[in-house]
Amino acid sequence: DSGVTQTPKHLITATGQRVTLRCSPRSGDLSVYWYQQSLDQGLQFLIQYYNGEERAKGNILERFSAQQFPDLHSELNLSSLELGDSALYFCASSPHSGGAAEQFFGPGTRLTVL
Amino acid sequence: TQLLEQSPQFLSIQEGENLTVYCNSSSVFSSLQWYRQEPGEGPVLLVTVVTGGEVKKLKRLTFQFGDARKDSSLHITAAQPGDTGLYLCAGVDYGQNFVFGPGTRLSVLP
Repeated sequence: DSGVTQTPKHLITATGQRVTLRCSPRSGDLSVYWYQQSLDQGLQFLIQYYNGEERAKGNILERFSAQQFPDLHSELNLSSLELGDSALYFCASSPHSGGAAEQFFGPGTRLTVL
Repeated sequence: TQLLEQSPQFLSIQEGENLTVYCNSSSVFSSLQWYRQEPGEGPVLLVTVVTGGEVKKLKRLTFQFGDARKDSSLHITAAQPGDTGLYLCAGVDYGQNFVFGPGTRLSVLP
């Protein structure tokens, strides 16, 4: 158990819908990262927050947005869902802003868009 | 766009064999990490290498960071079924951004 929690574990929805994925980092960790993992594209970095502020942005679509709240939990919002958005979404946390800091990954949310 | 390539993509070996997997890029990284991911779980960090030419050993696993900080290798000695999983390398650039490779899926048969 990494100490990072993600809810829900599974999510099934339809195209065009909007969903929210939630992540609680390890106690004391200030950084939260979001990743998308699909079979054909591996683990894709989406976005990072550090202590409530956006720190780095990866290949995140405009239909996706995220935020980190004062209690450091984070939400990833996915809207106008498409079939290709079906994937595993991981949240990771670390104590620091970046560099060689270890990232602790949650168990993931499996999103299926029908 | 920074890219990390990993080879081989798939590897199936017998218990007791040795193997090496590779992580390559045309970009220079400030550090590089190796993770192992098991089915249905998130990746777990194995090692971080930060110095060009660095070699780190973790029991039967040996990690090397290339002199030019563009590539890395993971060597497993006497592989065991418990080593089965997806091995991911992740590069950290000087802007502190992470990029993951596509992974090597290892299967060790008893």
